[in-house]
Amino acid sequence: AQSVTQLDSQVPVFEEAPVELRCNYSSSVSVYLFWYVQYPNQGLQLLLKYLSGSTLVKGINGFEAEFNKSQTSFHLRKPSVHISDTAEYFCAVSNTDKLIFGTGTRLQVFP
Amino acid sequence: SAVISQKPSRDICQRGTSLTIQCQVDSQVTMMFWYRQQPGQSLTLIATANQGSEATYESGFVIDKFPISRPNLTFSTLTVSNMSPEDSSIYLCSVVLGDETQYFGPGTRLLVL
Repeated sequence: AQSVTQLDSQVPVFEEAPVELRCNYSSSVSVYLFWYVQYPNQGLQLLLKYLSGSTLVKGINGFEAEFNKSQTSFHLRKPSVHISDTAEYFCAVSNTDKLIFGTGTRLQVFP
Repeated sequence: SAVISQKPSRDICQRGTSLTIQCQVDSQVTMMFWYRQQPGQSLTLIATANQGSEATYESGFVIDKFPISRPNLTFSTLTVSNMSPEDSSIYLCSVVLGDETQYFGPGTRLLVL
């Protein structure tokens, strides 16, 4: 069975600082990996995805993530955050059509 | 990408009543799903909405409580039946487009009193 662990439930950070949101997964087979963002009172928006190929994936809004198969990780990074990045971030894994979500990380950016 | 809409966007309902949520996509899609997001929680898959056949429910969800219809490749409904306050959640539909990627509707925020 697959599972996703987001180690940090909340990440406070000051504006223009770098940030890393951690995601580890468990699966016995090859998987697809995703990061979604949920802004307050909105649905989920796809940030980026890893399906195959280059392990460094770039997404929208300046975010990127690196797939590390040996460490079964897919951490999300941004070199300089903005106030508008304040949101809930969900890591997800699938190897079929079904998505398994992590518990989410609340990113709070302070001025 | 596709435009995915949901109706209603939010509702407040009395316990014991039922609410039907609609999901509309502006292109034909094979795979469509319904999720629940309880307050402060992550997303949990309720069921896969299959066109022309009965939905496939995940463990813990049953058809009597969450009947689903999928009359065509662009539309689906989820009904939350005999509601209780524990059903207060955000309900989201999603579709698979192209390369194994799910895209989500804006969600329906339900409060049951």
